[in-house]
Amino acid sequence: EVQLVQSGAEVKKPGESLKVSCKASGYTFSNFWIAWVRQMPGKGLQWMGSVYPGDSETRYSPSFQGQVTFSVDKSINTTYLHKSGLEASDTAIYYCARLPFYGSGSRYEYWGQGTLVPVSS
Amino acid sequence: DIQMTQSPSSLSASVGDSVTITCRTSQRISTYLNWYHQKPGKAPKLLIFAASRLQTGVPLRFSGSGSGTDFTLTISSLQLEDSATYFCQQTYSAPYDFGLGTKLEIK
Repeated sequence: EVQLVQSGAEVKKPGESLKVSCKASGYTFSNFWIAWVRQMPGKGLQWMGSVYPGDSETRYSPSFQGQVTFSVDKSINTTYLHKSGLEASDTAIYYCARLPFYGSGSRYEYWGQGTLVPVSS
Repeated sequence: DIQMTQSPSSLSASVGDSVTITCRTSQRISTYLNWYHQKPGKAPKLLIFAASRLQTGVPLRFSGSGSGTDFTLTISSLQLEDSATYFCQQTYSAPYDFGLGTKLEIK
């Protein structure tokens, strides 16, 4: 069974850094792209970008380029979302999702449970 | 970037009814459109991909159609458990943005 399990909720203060993990199981980790999606409180879904665990290739949405980075640890089947210099506007739920491939026609078949990140002083 | 316009933003219907949600894109995207729904406190779930293909395990009362710039999601024989927010997503070109969502209430 394919599963994506994300790290737990983290309360952060402005200026702090964030590292959210997404641990995969039930399939060959290196072979499938992982996307990261942000959902601000009461709002819709925003595609942040995607990472390919096989070679750590990354693609970022222009809206998030330079603001976040993705990394991979193949030894533990885990991808990470990193963000520094947090602001209150970064308060959101962050999701990871698995894609069958990257590019036109792809789809987000499996999702993590989401990681709530409130940022408040 | 491709702009997504989803309508209506909310609707209410009764058990057994049929409803249609529309997604319009600012440029032609062939059939590179997915539909998801999301229940409160849960992750989104894929319903339809490639505009009309039903994801494995999704009930047959969900159907999608359209190509180019205009797409619809139809839910027939509404059930209580269909109460959720529905999102479209284009996967024609990056950034792979989502619509703003349609909140469906089942009376």
